[in-house]
Amino acid sequence: AQSVSQHNHHVILSEAASLELGCNYSYGGTVNLFWYVQYPGQHLQLLLKYFSGDPLVKGIKGFEAEFIKSKFSFNLRKPSVQWSDTAEYFCAVNAGAAGNKLTFGGGTRVLVKP
Amino acid sequence: NAGVTQTPKFQVLKTGQSMTLQCAQDMNHEYMSWYRQDPGMGLRLIHYSVGAGITDQGEVPNGYNVSRSTTEDFPLRLLSAAPSQTSVYFCASSYSLLAGNTDTQYFGPGTRLTVL
Repeated sequence: AQSVSQHNHHVILSEAASLELGCNYSYGGTVNLFWYVQYPGQHLQLLLKYFSGDPLVKGIKGFEAEFIKSKFSFNLRKPSVQWSDTAEYFCAVNAGAAGNKLTFGGGTRVLVKP
Repeated sequence: NAGVTQTPKFQVLKTGQSMTLQCAQDMNHEYMSWYRQDPGMGLRLIHYSVGAGITDQGEVPNGYNVSRSTTEDFPLRLLSAAPSQTSVYFCASSYSLLAGNTDTQYFGPGTRLTVL
């Protein structure tokens, strides 16, 4: 069965700092990769997704992620965070043969201090 | 479009009580699913459906039942609630594609359930 690991459970940053959240998955076949964000009190929203093509994916709100197949990784980055980026971030993987089923990582809580 | 809606937003149950969490979507999505969210564990798939009349188990199905009589609705039933089912429940939907493809899933606002 596929699994997803997010290495950091909590990250605390100051505004304008750079952010990188790690995500590794275990599945040897074709995968589709997602990052979702959950702002306090809200439901999950899609930040970005990778299905195929350019492994550097740009999403909303200045976020980007890079798919490195050899490392089974899909790390999320933002060069300069804002206080409004305070949220919980989830990496999710869909294995090619699994239809629409998603496997989520445990999430990373990000707190951006003003 | 209202997207994915869930009711109720909050619910407190006593052990052994039953209840149904409602989920509806107005996007004509074939695929619908239920997740539970617990601290440090991300979201775990409970049950899913690829279309009306078709349901299947996810990662943590025990203690939950589902049915899919229409494309729009996908209720989740707890027959005899247990404290271990205290969680936040999210419903999601997407277009259903053939194996090897997928589509973005849209999530509802969640139901926070406490079982005493």
